[in-house]
Amino acid sequence: KNEVEQSPQNLTAQEGEFITINCSYSVGISALHWLQQHPGGGIVSLFMLSSGKKKHGRLIATINIQEKHSSLHITASHPRDSAVYICAVREGRNTGNQFYFGTGTSLTVIP
Amino acid sequence: KAGVTQTPRYLIKTRGQQVTLSCSPISGHRSVSWYQQTPGQGLQFLFEYFSETQRNKGNFPGRFSGRQFSNSRSEMNVSTLELGDSALYLCASSLAGRSGYTFGSGTRLTVV
Repeated sequence: KNEVEQSPQNLTAQEGEFITINCSYSVGISALHWLQQHPGGGIVSLFMLSSGKKKHGRLIATINIQEKHSSLHITASHPRDSAVYICAVREGRNTGNQFYFGTGTSLTVIP
Repeated sequence: KAGVTQTPRYLIKTRGQQVTLSCSPISGHRSVSWYQQTPGQGLQFLFEYFSETQRNKGNFPGRFSGRQFSNSRSEMNVSTLELGDSALYLCASSLAGRSGYTFGSGTRLTVV
């Protein structure tokens, strides 16, 4: 059983396209994180969400707690956005306090 | 300010040996968490420490252990290494464990 499901697994886009990556989870959470991992392994935390929507530059993350769903959007995609994007959730304190990770979405942006 | 520092970057060990990995968090961060990443299982949570106390532990066998020192630096230890322990081990630090996380570059462990 996967507590976190991401889609799509792989995504290829032309530079400038609008991109959406989806994340669904099955546990009660205290927070959801979007992570970016470039080749070589380094991970950068993009967003931490517990409700609503956050924006940072061309990146937008939304979460719907009732539907247990989050989306990461990239506007005007660029080749430097090519990376693996990982959704992670932290269970609530009363339900286990564990971290669960999606399997990642590998994004390639073609110039 | 300095980021999260993990040492060593690369390590090769023999099956049956033990290994200790180190993580120095960002100054002022009191929470350190550890993760294992493999091609087959992806990212998995190992444990989390806050102010020298283990606050949370993932589903790993007792061969995996850790600790945190008074200066917030953390170590994780894996005893009786198995081939399947070959992985990228990442640590992350945060102010209080419920704010944003900053990840280190990881230690790539190869067990032969």
